[in-house]
Amino acid sequence: QTVVTQEPSFSVSPGGTVTLTCGLSSGSVSTSYYPSWYQQTPGQAPRTLIYSTNTRSSGVPDRFSGSILGNKAALTITGAQADDESDYYCVLYMTTGISVFGGGTKLTVL
Amino acid sequence: EVQLLESGGGLVQPGGSLRLSCAASGFTFSSYAMSWVRQAPGKGLEWVSSISGNGGTTYHADSVKGRFTISRDNSKNTLYLQMNSLRAEDTAVYYCAKRITATGTKYFDCWGQGTLVIVSS
Repeated sequence: QTVVTQEPSFSVSPGGTVTLTCGLSSGSVSTSYYPSWYQQTPGQAPRTLIYSTNTRSSGVPDRFSGSILGNKAALTITGAQADDESDYYCVLYMTTGISVFGGGTKLTVL
Repeated sequence: EVQLLESGGGLVQPGGSLRLSCAASGFTFSSYAMSWVRQAPGKGLEWVSSISGNGGTTYHADSVKGRFTISRDNSKNTLYLQMNSLRAEDTAVYYCAKRITATGTKYFDCWGQGTLVIVSS
């Protein structure tokens, strides 16, 4: 069974930079998994941030960027703001047609 | 503007059935794959099912395979999730999501606001 791993929590200071990662329990994440990232605040529906590794969704500020770092997908927030405090989820697309969510990272801005 | 409006959630007893609907507007519904994603209380997001634009191909997570069936009616611009043999662990908010599956890109494009399913006696 494929397990997608994310840091359970992370903290960043206002104005700081943070990189969240998305890995596989077995193997490396590559662009072939079409990694995508979603932001969710409590009680709200998810919001699409990044798709196809590094393409920002419409309306997403350029302080959000995606990449592959080593053997993981990564979401970097540069110049973090208070309203970036959210849960962040990555998704990997498998060749079997299924999608697998990571467990999510709770980001605190303080 | 793309809109996805889920309905059909509610309280159901273990072993019972429920059918969720997702009414879509603002895009050519039949041209896009669609998915259901759920979130148990206090937990993360979990992909449940996906269906191709013409309905000919479906995928289900192992956790729901054999119990849930995704379908669509393109004449009504509506996505469905038939849920049978419900268990307490199926309690969750169920989100409908528009799916992009073009060559070179796969992701969830737009999301509905969700509908809550509670499985309890």
